[in-house]
Amino acid sequence: EDQVTQSPEALRLQEGESSSLNCSYTVSGLRGLFWYRQDPGKGPEFLFTLYSAGEEKEKERLKATLTKKESFLHITAPKPEDSATYLCAVQGGNQGGKLIFGQGTELSVKP
Amino acid sequence: DAMVIQNPRYQVTQFGKPVTLSCSQTLNHNVMYWYQQKSSQAPKLLFHYYDKDFNNEADTPDNFQSRRPNTSFCFLDIRSPGLGDAAMYLCATSFGQGFGNTEAFFGQGTRLTVV
Repeated sequence: EDQVTQSPEALRLQEGESSSLNCSYTVSGLRGLFWYRQDPGKGPEFLFTLYSAGEEKEKERLKATLTKKESFLHITAPKPEDSATYLCAVQGGNQGGKLIFGQGTELSVKP
Repeated sequence: DAMVIQNPRYQVTQFGKPVTLSCSQTLNHNVMYWYQQKSSQAPKLLFHYYDKDFNNEADTPDNFQSRRPNTSFCFLDIRSPGLGDAAMYLCATSFGQGFGNTEAFFGQGTRLTVV
């Protein structure tokens, strides 16, 4: 059964303190791994798609990387506006487009 | 510029009274999803449409139904809402290409309260 586990559940950083969020996955035939940001009371906002091990994507202070078993979301010099819940999701083969989410990491960045 | 629109944003319904949530999209995506998200939990897939094909998750209660009359619209019907059905309901769309889907785009969600 496809499974996605994110760690840590919550992360508190000081402004400027870089860190990484982890997404471990078990899936039959990965077709895509997706990172989303979700603010309270809103729908998830798409950040990145990664398709194969070794792939990296960057956007402002965020960088996503992918191995065969996990993905990392690196946050460099975060700002308070980066505070949100970050969700990881995977799409496996033979699933008809099904997208399975992890439970998320709640990031809080203090000034 | 809204691409996936959910209505209403907030819905209050009585215990046992049927309720319908709606989702529309302007992306012409062939895949549409309905997720249930409770506080501090991962979005849980209820079902999805791949083109006209309906895919129900094994653990989705029969109380939840869905309709997709055309590419642009999808509805979530809760036949007899219970207190445990209070949650955020998220609609999402993506483009399925056989070998994989593009990223999914989400609406802002409908917050359902059951009283």
